[in-house]
Amino acid sequence: GENVEQHPSTLSVQEGDSAVIKCTYSDSASNYFPWYKQELGKRPQLIIDIRSNVGEKKDQRIAVTLNKTAKHFSLHITETQPEDSAVYFCAASTNAGKSTFGDGTTLTVKP
Amino acid sequence: GAVVSQHPSRVICKSGTSVKIECRSLDFQATTMFWYRQFPKQSLMLMATSNEGSKATYEQGVEKDKFLINHASLTLSTLTVTSAHPEDSSFYICSAPTRQGNNEQFFGPGTRLTVL
Repeated sequence: GENVEQHPSTLSVQEGDSAVIKCTYSDSASNYFPWYKQELGKRPQLIIDIRSNVGEKKDQRIAVTLNKTAKHFSLHITETQPEDSAVYFCAASTNAGKSTFGDGTTLTVKP
Repeated sequence: GAVVSQHPSRVICKSGTSVKIECRSLDFQATTMFWYRQFPKQSLMLMATSNEGSKATYEQGVEKDKFLINHASLTLSTLTVTSAHPEDSSFYICSAPTRQGNNEQFFGPGTRLTVL
């Protein structure tokens, strides 16, 4: 089955700095790679996603890059703000729809 | 946008009892839904794929007789935790694809189960 590894497990940055979280996946059939933000006790919230036919996608301060050959994808958050503090999960899924999640990254943005 | 609801949001039960959790797609039909379990400070782990009109598909290591899944209609899937034990205490989340064949998911708000 699919295996998704996520690094780092914790990340602390100063407000205004950039944060980068990286994931690798194992199943070459995976073709959809979402990133979720989860606050304590709440559902995962989709913040950005990318499909395997695209190498990069950007939405304001958030961007995702995908390297299909190397089977890795990354989340980039620029100009971080304290409200960006949360747990972030990457995931990989195939056309069947079920997702395999990374272990999560706890991001802390210090004011 | 599409909305997925779960009920109850929180439940506390005694060991040995059964608990039913409902997952509903409120404004779209979902022939497939997914059930995840999340322990504190851990990731979401897929438990099973719920299929409308047929048996659920369970992930390796998930006991199908303990976690009963029924996808009764195109908008409702239920997860019943039978003979619950304290180690079943967890956050249970369902999700449904935004449309059939699409792998983008909408997640329910989750159910916090505490077994005493």
